[in-house]
Amino acid sequence: AQTVTQSQPEMSVQEAETVTLSCTYDTSESDYYLFWYKQPPSRQMILVIRQEAYKQQNATENRFSVNFQKAAKSFSLKISDSQLGDAAMYFCAYRGYTSGTYKYIFGTGTRLKVLA
Amino acid sequence: DVKVTQSSRYLVKRTGEKVFLECVQDMDHENMFWYRQDPGLGLRLIYFSYDVKMKEKGDIPEGYSVSREKKERFSLILESASTNQTSMYLCASSSPGQTEAFFGQGTRLTVV
Repeated sequence: AQTVTQSQPEMSVQEAETVTLSCTYDTSESDYYLFWYKQPPSRQMILVIRQEAYKQQNATENRFSVNFQKAAKSFSLKISDSQLGDAAMYFCAYRGYTSGTYKYIFGTGTRLKVLA
Repeated sequence: DVKVTQSSRYLVKRTGEKVFLECVQDMDHENMFWYRQDPGLGLRLIYFSYDVKMKEKGDIPEGYSVSREKKERFSLILESASTNQTSMYLCASSSPGQTEAFFGQGTRLTVV
């Protein structure tokens, strides 16, 4: 069975600084997707960034980038130039194929605090 | 934009009541999911459905059932609510043609 592990329950970063959130996963599949979702206090889950396993190039979306290490099964999120609006819960997620369809497996989340 | 709408944002129910949580999506997605979110436990999959009238158990199905009579609607049913089902419930939908899941705004259920 696939699993996703986030070992940092909480992280803090100074405004304008850079922070990295960690995620590891376990799977026997070779083709899959990985995601980082953000959940602000409004509770609406927002997709931050996605990575296709067969692409070696790390995904980037503006200030957000990932370090995808397929062999190590590691998928960290780097937030550059942190802003107050980045404060939220961040969830790492894996999309796997099972029972004839896709399902999403989430980590336990990392709460990010941004200090002014 | 994809919209996933959950019928209630907050809900308070009594122990033993039958509770229905409704979720509707407007993008003709085949797959729909119900997750439960608890502090320190992340999102745990309760049930999912990949087609009308089709359902599969997730990781924590005990005490829950689901119904999908129409493609756009996926209901989560608590047959006899208990206090340990107090939680945040998130509905999501996806399509094979789109990689990510789209979420509703969540229902915070309190069972007293």
